[in-house]
Amino acid sequence: DTAVSQTPKYLVTQMGNDKSIKCEQNLGHDTMYWYKQDSKKFLKIMFSYNNKELIINETVPNRFSPKSPDKAHLNLHINSLELGDSAVYFCASSQYTSGRETQYFGPGTRLLVL
Amino acid sequence: DAKTTQPTSMDCAEGRAANLPCNHSTISGNEYVYWYRQIHSQGPQYIIHGLKNNETNEMASLIITEDRKSSTLILPHATLRDTAVYYCIVRVGGSLTQGGSEKLVFGKGTKLTVNP
Repeated sequence: DTAVSQTPKYLVTQMGNDKSIKCEQNLGHDTMYWYKQDSKKFLKIMFSYNNKELIINETVPNRFSPKSPDKAHLNLHINSLELGDSAVYFCASSQYTSGRETQYFGPGTRLLVL
Repeated sequence: DAKTTQPTSMDCAEGRAANLPCNHSTISGNEYVYWYRQIHSQGPQYIIHGLKNNETNEMASLIITEDRKSSTLILPHATLRDTAVYYCIVRVGGSLTQGGSEKLVFGKGTKLTVNP
């Protein structure tokens, strides 16, 4: 059983297009995240949601719009794609319990903008 | 910015213990030490975390110095599948933290290569 799943796994598109990446978790967690890993392999947080409420918005361009229809889903919509958006995008989820918040990551979506 | 420093790379022979150091000299009293790893092309994977006591689970052991300024992740019997980038992260725990409000800040990590 996949705990955190993302679709699609690979996404190749042209500059200027609009695309969405979907994330689902079946762990019953309250919190979900989006991270971006660039070509230099730095992994940086973009957004976090807790119970469908936006908690962290890490100065990401407003072309990126996360949407959480329910606790189990956090989708990422990207408008007007640019070359610099090419990266691997990871979704994660966690449940905060007694000072511990272990994050579980999805397999990643490899986005290539041409 | 990451609040930890780690060696860029390390090598280990298969079957031997891998000891990965991490310095976190500015760690605060309520910050935990977390370790994650990222195997090539996969999402990061949680390994272990601790506050001040040494911790052990089925994957690894975590040794934290008494002053909490450094720690060591120990993989007791490294296998080829343990080849990965290992990240040491400090973050706040405790009841003051709302879920999702404390972000994991990943540094460059240590690239561990387990050799046959």
